[in-house]
Amino acid sequence: SQQGEEDPQALSIQEGENATMNCSYKTSINNLQWYRQNSGRGLVHLILIRSNEREKHSGRLRVTLDTSKKSSSLLITASRAADTASYFCATDRGSTLGRLYFGRGTQLTVWP
Amino acid sequence: GAVVSQHPSRVICKSGTSVKIECRSLDFQATTMFWYRQFPKKSLMLMATSNEGSKATYEQGVEKDKFLINHASLTLSTLTVTSAHPEDSSFYICSASPRDRAPYGYTFGSGTRLTVV
Repeated sequence: SQQGEEDPQALSIQEGENATMNCSYKTSINNLQWYRQNSGRGLVHLILIRSNEREKHSGRLRVTLDTSKKSSSLLITASRAADTASYFCATDRGSTLGRLYFGRGTQLTVWP
Repeated sequence: GAVVSQHPSRVICKSGTSVKIECRSLDFQATTMFWYRQFPKKSLMLMATSNEGSKATYEQGVEKDKFLINHASLTLSTLTVTSAHPEDSSFYICSASPRDRAPYGYTFGSGTRLTVV
């Protein structure tokens, strides 16, 4: 079974608005990663947050991690139409072997 | 750096035939690669760990005789879908990482869309 659960599964916003996606997981982790996927394409790594970190920023992206609640959030600020894509969280389930277990993903649509 | 190439990007095959998908690390060596499967509008499911020079490790529920994995060199892993059926139609995607960045820093290929008719 998949590791994470993203919420919401679909999100539709206007350009300039912020988009927040949440992810929950069930096991211990070493880190949690967020990926982006354009329709029918490969994955692009966005950001990795380690289990001992609570917040991380990268450009317009802000990721938080709450290991006590086993949840993470991805915030995209000042969204653009080009941000339209599916966003997935992935965890390692505590393994250091490189395996990733993905959530269902959030389909983000940003309207111009 | 750390480019992963997947070939073909799309393939259509008839039921009962086998299809081979290649995953190559172009500018680095990878002792481990991973294969994932993605159904339409669904998440990615880890299928197996491809280990250079040894047998692949399959996730629970993945048929190893159906999905043959070969990792004969440090830059190439292949996934062969044997005796393909329409239910095998899916998006297959691999990932790899340079040894000095593993177990993090995995780069994904662009995926292969398999349609079995």
